[in-house]
Amino acid sequence: QKEVEQDPGPLSVPEGAIVSLNCTYSNSAFQYFMWYRQYSRKGPELLMYTYSSGNKEDGRFTAQVDKSSKYISLFIRDSQPSDSATYLCVTGGFKTIFGAGTRLFVKA
Amino acid sequence: EAGVVQSPRYKIIEKKQPVAFWCNPISGHNTLYWYRQNLGQGPELLIRYENEEAVDDSQLPKDRFSAERLKGVDSTLKIQPAELGDSAVYLCASSPTSSANIQYFGAGTRLSVL
Repeated sequence: QKEVEQDPGPLSVPEGAIVSLNCTYSNSAFQYFMWYRQYSRKGPELLMYTYSSGNKEDGRFTAQVDKSSKYISLFIRDSQPSDSATYLCVTGGFKTIFGAGTRLFVKA
Repeated sequence: EAGVVQSPRYKIIEKKQPVAFWCNPISGHNTLYWYRQNLGQGPELLIRYENEEAVDDSQLPKDRFSAERLKGVDSTLKIQPAELGDSAVYLCASSPTSSANIQYFGAGTRLSVL
């Protein structure tokens, strides 16, 4: 079993849709939770970062963590074609563990 | 502020040849990472440096991979000899001591071994 599991997609949505990206993790000791966005042929860039359960909002993006079920979500409101990328779920404690990523396509 | 700089961006070599990648981290970042990312996968850690010291190289295939970070700034990752299965994107990242979990990535070097 992988330590971080994500549906690889691809997920295709129309512009303006609400997008929900999800992942699960196996180790209850993981202390921090992040989402990275990776455009094609680019390095990953940090999108959201939190330590605690609950919601964290930043503009059109909301990260949600449920430590009791080891479930992490990223919501994107009013999705734009520029949101088309791979979204990596990331967590860890001493070591940082990256999920395989979910490919998102937002159609204009 | 300049980001993490990697070179070259692309490299095509024949199997059994050596290859080297270079990384210049963000100024002042003490922690430096090398990752390998296969197609459709997330980055996998190869080695982590704290200043000049390699503090985690447990996933580095030491029979053919080597890395160094002289003076605690720039770093090089070398493969000798390269194998077909080494084709991947090699990413460098750095972190400031104040936010050790947050990593800033370079654009990567895409290696093709023929």
